[in-house]
Amino acid sequence: AQTVTQSQPEMSVQEAETVTLSCTYDTSESNYYLFWYKQPPSRQMILVIRQEAYKQQNATENRFSVNFQKAAKSFSLKISDSQLGDTAMYFCAFLKQGGSEKLVFGKGTKLTVNP
Amino acid sequence: NAGVMQNPRHLVRRRGQEARLRCSPMKGHSHVYWYRQLPEEGLKFMVYLQKENIIDESGMPKERFSAEFPKEGPSILRIQQVVRGDSAAYFCASSPWLAGLNNEQFFGPGTRLTVL
Repeated sequence: AQTVTQSQPEMSVQEAETVTLSCTYDTSESNYYLFWYKQPPSRQMILVIRQEAYKQQNATENRFSVNFQKAAKSFSLKISDSQLGDTAMYFCAFLKQGGSEKLVFGKGTKLTVNP
Repeated sequence: NAGVMQNPRHLVRRRGQEARLRCSPMKGHSHVYWYRQLPEEGLKFMVYLQKENIIDESGMPKERFSAEFPKEGPSILRIQQVVRGDSAAYFCASSPWLAGLNNEQFFGPGTRLTVL
């Protein structure tokens, strides 16, 4: 079974600075997807970024980018130019390709952006 | 195109009552997933359904919980004889076809169940 570990329960960053959230996972699969979801106080789950395991190039979405290290099973999220609206819980998630379509989530990191 | 709809947003039940949570997937989506989020935890998979079929219910408790996704109408997650430990946020997600084939799961706003 796959597991996802987020080792930082809470983090804080000053507005306009850069912050990196950590995620490691354990799997014996070779084909899979990795995701970062944001959950603001409204509790709505919002997809931030996704990475296909077969792609060597790290995914980027505007201020959000990932550092995907497949051999190390590491998938960190970097947020550049942090904004107050980035304050939220961030969840790392794993999806096995071609199997049961269940997302496996980490426990989350609570990010606070300070003015 | 409206997003995934869940209702009610908040549900309060007393121990022993039944809870029914509804999920209307996005238009054109035929795959529905239910997840539960306990306080201070990440989301945990419960069940995956297609129209009229349960595909994977490996995350569902064996007793008191059931789910359906009929040909017409919303998907229903039903919890019988609720206990305090059922208090959680329940999220529904939908996808147009297999998420593993490069399609993401779109989440609803969740239903927060409180058992008194």
